[in-house]
Amino acid sequence: EAGVVQSPRYKIIEKKQPVAFWCNPISGHNTLYWYLQNLGQGPELLIRYENEEAVDDSQLPKDRFSAERLKGVDSTLKIQPAELGDSAVYLCASSPVTGAKAFFGQGTRLTVV
Amino acid sequence: KQEVTQIPAALSVPEGENLVLNCSFTDSAIYNLQWFRQDPGKGLTSLLLIQSSQREQTSGRLNASLDKSSGRSTLYIAASQPGDSATYLCAVRLEGTGNQFYFGTGTSLTVIP
Repeated sequence: EAGVVQSPRYKIIEKKQPVAFWCNPISGHNTLYWYLQNLGQGPELLIRYENEEAVDDSQLPKDRFSAERLKGVDSTLKIQPAELGDSAVYLCASSPVTGAKAFFGQGTRLTVV
Repeated sequence: KQEVTQIPAALSVPEGENLVLNCSFTDSAIYNLQWFRQDPGKGLTSLLLIQSSQREQTSGRLNASLDKSSGRSTLYIAASQPGDSATYLCAVRLEGTGNQFYFGTGTSLTVIP
């Protein structure tokens, strides 16, 4: 069974440019998460979806970050415009139902220069 | 807000040793706790999930225990191998939060051949 797939794996952009990350969760998983991980830190939640509904986006910086999960499957996370401080690893995860084991993708490492 | 602490931050042991990684959390009203492994530049790999009603879970050389009342979990690794070298993260879900993980900052393990 395929795991959580993220793309791209790496992205280098100049500040003020837009960037988008894509996530394909495990088939049948209703819950999808986007996490941000800074170097040497644990991941922090950005947004959580239950099917196509964003049920927890309280930590998403909405002035520059946006996300969508069309048809409750794939999800895209966008930053516009990117800032130097956005350099981090962006992780996507999914779980079949609330509270079940979560599975993470490989992450997208973003470098803003 | 749930605070998750992992001690030690880094650990170096010779191959073959048994070792214990510690995770503590401030709010004992947890739903479950999950241990993850993260290799450099990679995403998170789920190791063990312990429900709040359970005391321990075992998988191969790994054993995770949970003491809700004291706000602690330990990950025991038996007969360590160089391939166990990675960062180990614990993550806690609280009751009633609907699924959000609170992560510790991890323990970086190096197993010396």
